[in-house]
Amino acid sequence: AQKITQTQPGMFVQEKEAVTLDCTYDTSDQSYGLFWYKQPSSGEMIFLIYQGSYDEQNATEGRYSLNFQKARKSANLVISASQLGDSAMYFCAMREGSGGYQKVTFGTGTKLQVIP
Amino acid sequence: EAGVTQFPSHSVIEKGQTVTLRCDPISGHDNLYWYRRVMGKEIKFLLHFVKESKQDESGMPNNRFLAERTGGTYSTLKVQPAELEDSGVYFCASSRERLAGHTEAFFGQGTRLTVV
Repeated sequence: AQKITQTQPGMFVQEKEAVTLDCTYDTSDQSYGLFWYKQPSSGEMIFLIYQGSYDEQNATEGRYSLNFQKARKSANLVISASQLGDSAMYFCAMREGSGGYQKVTFGTGTKLQVIP
Repeated sequence: EAGVTQFPSHSVIEKGQTVTLRCDPISGHDNLYWYRRVMGKEIKFLLHFVKESKQDESGMPNNRFLAERTGGTYSTLKVQPAELEDSGVYFCASSRERLAGHTEAFFGQGTRLTVV
């Protein structure tokens, strides 16, 4: 079974609109972390937002927010007021394990295109 | 604070040659990860160091790949001999575990390897 599932290979959004990128995960750990990364065409991986499994509130970072629904094992990324520069690949990732052992698993990514 | 740096940024080599990729993690980060993204596919985990020890190398594709992290500082990933299917972008990431268990993984810009 996939650890991280991103069901949307590609998404379009109108500039200034909000968009939600889906991510579901699978883990038996009680303590884990969820991340979203952005990869523009230049190739670098840019950290966007983090949600810990014990965090009671949804994480927010500027225009990014993470809609964390623990019972459903989903961690969707919401981008508000989309900008042309938001066009990129977006990867959802999960860190499992504790202490000295940690592993980060990625989804297959969602390509977001912002339309002017 | 300097980020994760990778060298070289691009490498084009012939099939059968040897290539060594280097990653300098953020100072103080004990955890160092190598990932690879083959064109059009997901980012796949290769291995994880904690300081100089290999914690998990389950993602290493075969024995043509050798990773080292001498002294728990920088890491090298050697491919010998390189094959065409080794082409892709190799990412390095580092993280430092905090007491609360919140750990961000910071990525380098990647090394784009092309085997011809």
